[in-house]
Amino acid sequence: DAGVTQSPTHLIKTRGQQVTLRCSPKSGHDTVSWYQQALGQGPQFIFQYYEEEERQRGNFPDRFSGHQFPNYSSELNVNALLLGDSALYLCASSPLATDTQYFGPGTRLTVL
Amino acid sequence: EDKVVQSPLSLVVHEGDTVTLNCSYEVTNFRSLLWYKQEKKAPTFLFMLTSSGIEKKSGRLSSILDKKELFSILNITATQTGDSAVYLCAARLNAGNNRKLIWGLGTSLAVNP
Repeated sequence: DAGVTQSPTHLIKTRGQQVTLRCSPKSGHDTVSWYQQALGQGPQFIFQYYEEEERQRGNFPDRFSGHQFPNYSSELNVNALLLGDSALYLCASSPLATDTQYFGPGTRLTVL
Repeated sequence: EDKVVQSPLSLVVHEGDTVTLNCSYEVTNFRSLLWYKQEKKAPTFLFMLTSSGIEKKSGRLSSILDKKELFSILNITATQTGDSAVYLCAARLNAGNNRKLIWGLGTSLAVNP
């Protein structure tokens, strides 16, 4: 079992650009949540996808959008990048009936 | 506003010491509390606690939840340098199929040889 995988590992972009981050959940997991973690901070919830729909959203602007595919994998898109978007972006998956979320290794995004 | 507060924010100990990390929470519709260990990258799951007073144990780590006083502690005995990490706790809300977690800022633990 590969666990939760994310790509790319690292990414450097410039202000104003757009970025797409990808996540494949652990086998058997149907729910995917995305988090932003700035240096020295705890993860901040961005949104959660279940059955290909955004089910809940944190306090992030519309520049942050996502998608979940029929195979439960997910993408996080960020438009019009700002310097403050530099962070570790974590994807977590969980099966329907449990509370425990399993995290992927994260994507380190740097915006210059 | 839902919040989770961890203390201390940072802790430095010597190998062999015992540490206690604290996590208090104020959330609506509390369901469970989770502890994670984060080293360089993604947090790794340690414990999930749903019932008061029942200790969960894994090797030198143990954790307990007090739902009356709204807090949890994570104990690490006989600490080793490999225990150096940020320890995060998160409260999971009881909201149907949602998996939203409210996270604390973490406790940064450094174990010196």
